[in-house]
Amino acid sequence: GEDVEQSLFLSVREGDSSVINCTYTDSSSTYLYWYKQEPGAGLQLLTYIFSNMDMKQDQRLTVLLNKKDKHLSLRIADTQTGDSAIYFCAEKLNAGGTSYGKLTFGQGTILTVHP
Amino acid sequence: DAGVTQSPTHLIKTRGQQVTLRCSPISGHKSVSWYQQVLGQGPQFIFQYYEKEERGRGNFPDRFSARQFPNYSSELNVNALLLGDSALYLCASSFGGNNSPLHFGNGTRLTVT
Repeated sequence: GEDVEQSLFLSVREGDSSVINCTYTDSSSTYLYWYKQEPGAGLQLLTYIFSNMDMKQDQRLTVLLNKKDKHLSLRIADTQTGDSAIYFCAEKLNAGGTSYGKLTFGQGTILTVHP
Repeated sequence: DAGVTQSPTHLIKTRGQQVTLRCSPISGHKSVSWYQQVLGQGPQFIFQYYEKEERGRGNFPDRFSARQFPNYSSELNVNALLLGDSALYLCASSFGGNNSPLHFGNGTRLTVT
């Protein structure tokens, strides 16, 4: 079945790196996503990785995928107070040509950045 | 360019009433998906529409229905509202296809009293 899990809280100091972790259970995942949600807002797409990749870097963001352990992580370099938000990982399964719009989300990690 | 737009932003309804939420996708996107986000949880998939046809349905009761119009905008309808339907309802659009990421709107906050 589909299940995505994340740790609930992460607290870091401004300027440090943040690492947010996620585990998923379904080996048929095709794409894995990271979204950011600020208070009262919708979800902002940060980055995504195809399941046959190990790593993707996009400016301050680095995504690492360990497909064997079904583990995904998001590293934010030089974390700023504006990075404080809830971060969701999500998986998209290979639905055999249908249901391209279905993502399964984790419960979110609340990142707090202290000055 | 405009992102995904949803209306209204906030809504208060009474138990038993019906509600319609609206979504306009990003220009050029043909797929619209709806998600429910209860406070403190991740979004849960409700529906996906592509080219005006339903392509996926989540584990929600028949009180929930949706449709997509020729201009690719979409409506989500919820009948016989329950207190537990109080949530943030998110709409997402994409070009369609497995390699097309979903882009979300800011959502409609529904409160059922």
